[in-house]
Amino acid sequence: DSGVTQTPKHLITATGQRVTLRCSPRSGDLSVYWYQQSLDQGLQFLIQYYNGEERAKGNILERFSAQQFPDLHSELNLSSLELGDSALYFCASGPRTGSQETQYFGPGTRLLVL
Amino acid sequence: QKEVEQDPGPLSVPEGAIVSLNCTYSNSAFQYFMWYRQYSRKGPELLMYTYSSGNKEDGRFTAQVDKSSKYISLFIRDSQPSDSATYLCAFHKTGFQKLVFGTGTRLLVSP
Repeated sequence: DSGVTQTPKHLITATGQRVTLRCSPRSGDLSVYWYQQSLDQGLQFLIQYYNGEERAKGNILERFSAQQFPDLHSELNLSSLELGDSALYFCASGPRTGSQETQYFGPGTRLLVL
Repeated sequence: QKEVEQDPGPLSVPEGAIVSLNCTYSNSAFQYFMWYRQYSRKGPELLMYTYSSGNKEDGRFTAQVDKSSKYISLFIRDSQPSDSATYLCAFHKTGFQKLVFGTGTRLLVSP
């Protein structure tokens, strides 16, 4: 158990809908990272937050957004969903930014868009 | 050219075999090298984390980094059926937290 929690475990929804994925980092970690894992693209970095502020952006679509709250949990919002958004979404946490660090992954949310 | 190349496998070995997993990378700015293990339908689990060229050992696992060749390896000794999983190499640069992953190699260890 990495100490990172994610809810829900599974989500089934329809195209055009909006969903919210939630992540709680390990105790003491200030950084939260979101990744998308699909069969054809592998694990792709989406976005990073550090202590409530956005720090880095990767291949995140404009239809997707995220935020980190004062209690350090984070939410990833996916809107106008398309079939191709079906994937595993992982959250990872790490202790600090700007230095070498490891990232610990949560169990993921499996999203299926029908 | 992809930043990271990793053979997807599957790699099938008998129990007790020595397993060698490899990745090549093209970005010379990568300074940190990791191996993650991912069981089916689970999150990636950090196995090894190294900074410099050379070897790092942890139990049955040895990570090897050759920066001059841009090549990293993970060796698993005395492989067990419980080692059956997908192994992902990952990299990042100093000051940049984004991890760049290989596509993963699926390993199957048969009893």
